[in-house]
Amino acid sequence: AQKITQTQPGMFVQEKEAVTLDCTYDTSDQSYGLFWYKQPSSGEMIFLIYQGSYDEQNATEGRYSLNFQKARKSANLVISASQLGDSAMYFCAMREARSTNAGKSTFGDGTTLTVKP
Amino acid sequence: GAGVSQSPSNKVTEKGKDVELRCDPISGHTALYWYRQSLGQGLEFLIYFQGNSAPDKSGLPSDRFSAERTGGSVSTLTIQRTQQEDSAVYLCASSDGGLNQPQHFGDGTRLSIL
Repeated sequence: AQKITQTQPGMFVQEKEAVTLDCTYDTSDQSYGLFWYKQPSSGEMIFLIYQGSYDEQNATEGRYSLNFQKARKSANLVISASQLGDSAMYFCAMREARSTNAGKSTFGDGTTLTVKP
Repeated sequence: GAGVSQSPSNKVTEKGKDVELRCDPISGHTALYWYRQSLGQGLEFLIYFQGNSAPDKSGLPSDRFSAERTGGSVSTLTIQRTQQEDSAVYLCASSDGGLNQPQHFGDGTRLSIL
């Protein structure tokens, strides 16, 4: 079973509007971390935001926030006030604490976001 | 400070040749990862090193692929007898190993097999 599912291969958003990128995950571990990364067309991978499984509040970093719903095993990325420079591929990733997988990250297939002027 | 450095940035080689890709992680980072990414696709996990522990090689696609990490720092990914399907961008990342620590990625090596 896929551990990270990103169901939106491509998304469009109008400049200055908010957009939500979906991510669901599968784990039986109680302790895990969830990450979002951005990959522009230039290719570099940029860390955006982190949410720990025990964090009670949703993580926020500037225009990025994470809508964490633990019971539903979802960790959606919300980008507010979209900018043209937000056009990129976005990856959701999970790292579990279990010894057999400890440290190793699992990535979703990504969502390509296009911001329209 | 210096980020993750990968070399070469581009490599073109003939089918059947061996290639070596190098990764210099961020100083002090105990964890090092190799991924493969085909155009427009997600990241395929290859191998993971954590400190002095035995590496997790579960993602290596065949025995033509191998990797080592010398002195807990620099890593080399070797592909023997390259095939055209090996063409991809090979990304290296490092982190300090904590559960909440993000991975820092290099710019990748674009490998093209003719």
